[in-house]
Amino acid sequence: GESVGLHLPTLSVQEGDNSIINCAYSNSASDYFIWYKQESGKGPQFIIDIRSNMDKRQGQRVTVLLNKTVKHLSLQIAATQPGDSAVYFCAEIKYNFNKFYFGSGTKLNVKP
Amino acid sequence: DTEVTQTPKHLVMGMTNKKSLKCEQHMGHRAMYWYKQKAKKPPELMFVYSYEKLSINESVPSRFSPECPNSSLLNLHLHALQPEDSALYLCASSPRESDTQYFGPGTRLTVL
Repeated sequence: GESVGLHLPTLSVQEGDNSIINCAYSNSASDYFIWYKQESGKGPQFIIDIRSNMDKRQGQRVTVLLNKTVKHLSLQIAATQPGDSAVYFCAEIKYNFNKFYFGSGTKLNVKP
Repeated sequence: DTEVTQTPKHLVMGMTNKKSLKCEQHMGHRAMYWYKQKAKKPPELMFVYSYEKLSINESVPSRFSPECPNSSLLNLHLHALQPEDSALYLCASSPRESDTQYFGPGTRLTVL
């Protein structure tokens, strides 16, 4: 989906398919990246993180990939389930400046 | 205890009221945060407390007044708010500033 005005980019996937959510970051000096999941009416929930000296990190059903060359971060969710429907935010941390930046978010819609 | 709790869950107040939001964590985290989140937007940082001292104030209007009575508690005092202050107010904590933040469920605030 496209981000226009107040609309979040939306990714619609079929239950059981794999999902890939992307995030472009602007600060090449960021030290650390985090993915959060936010369900409707709830606070953001930590999913997985990755340090800037890594390219890939795997968790349970999730994988985060970091491409520092093009400043791109992605979250891959395997075998997407209806419970994965939420808004996903990436965040970046720059240690020396105590800065924590949120990306704009992507809405994942899982169709049964 | 591995969570951040917030009370109340919902709050409706008039523009002349004084109210307070409360946040609590018992994870031994020494940094605590207040964020404001509007619909379809990422959380916006308001305040950061580190070791019970105000570390960052992101130019927040004085009608929002934070307080950190001890390392486990964070309050946000509200006075003379405007309807545009209606939002989800999120509290978060982290072991130290610039560490991964863990969020509470938020307080849904409506200003009439």
